[in-house]
Amino acid sequence: QKEVEQDPGPLSVPEGAIVSLNCTYSNSAFQYFMWYRQYSRKGPELLMYTYSSGNKEDGRFTAQVDKSSKYISLFIRDSQPSDSATYLCAMSMNYGGATNKLIFGTGTLLAVQP
Amino acid sequence: EAGVAQSPRYKIIEKRQSVAFWCNPISGHATLYWYQQILGQGPKLLIQFQNNGVVDDSQLPKDRFSAERLKGVDSTLKIQPAKLEDSAVYLCASSLRVGTDTQYFGPGTRLTVL
Repeated sequence: QKEVEQDPGPLSVPEGAIVSLNCTYSNSAFQYFMWYRQYSRKGPELLMYTYSSGNKEDGRFTAQVDKSSKYISLFIRDSQPSDSATYLCAMSMNYGGATNKLIFGTGTLLAVQP
Repeated sequence: EAGVAQSPRYKIIEKRQSVAFWCNPISGHATLYWYQQILGQGPKLLIQFQNNGVVDDSQLPKDRFSAERLKGVDSTLKIQPAKLEDSAVYLCASSLRVGTDTQYFGPGTRLTVL
């Protein structure tokens, strides 16, 4: 079993739709949860960052973490064609500050159709 | 602020040849990471440097991969000899400190081994 599971998609939605992206994980030691966006032939860029359980909102993006279920989500409201990209979830245990090794999901390819 | 720079952007080699990638992190960033991203997968950490010391190289195939970060700034990642399964995008990232600091990724080097 992989430490982090993510549906690879592809996911195709019409412009303006609400998008839900999800990851599950098996290691309960993960405490830091991130969503990265990766455009084609570019490096990943950090979109959202959450520590432990709870919700975090930034504009059209909302990240949710449910540690009891080992489940994280990213919601995109009023999706735009410019949101078309691969979305990667990532997690870290932060080994006592010595390293912040990120464990990534496989990524979900999202296409927002105009 | 300039981002993480990587070169070359693309490289095609025959198996058993050697190849080297270069990374220049964001100015002042003490921590540097090399990731391998195989098509359809999330990035996997190969090695992490704190200044010019290695923090984590547990997933680096040391029989063929080597990396160095002289003077705690630029870094090079070398593969010798290359195998077909090394075909991937090699991403360099940097962060200001270890711990939970945001990692900023470069555009990557796309390696094809024939």
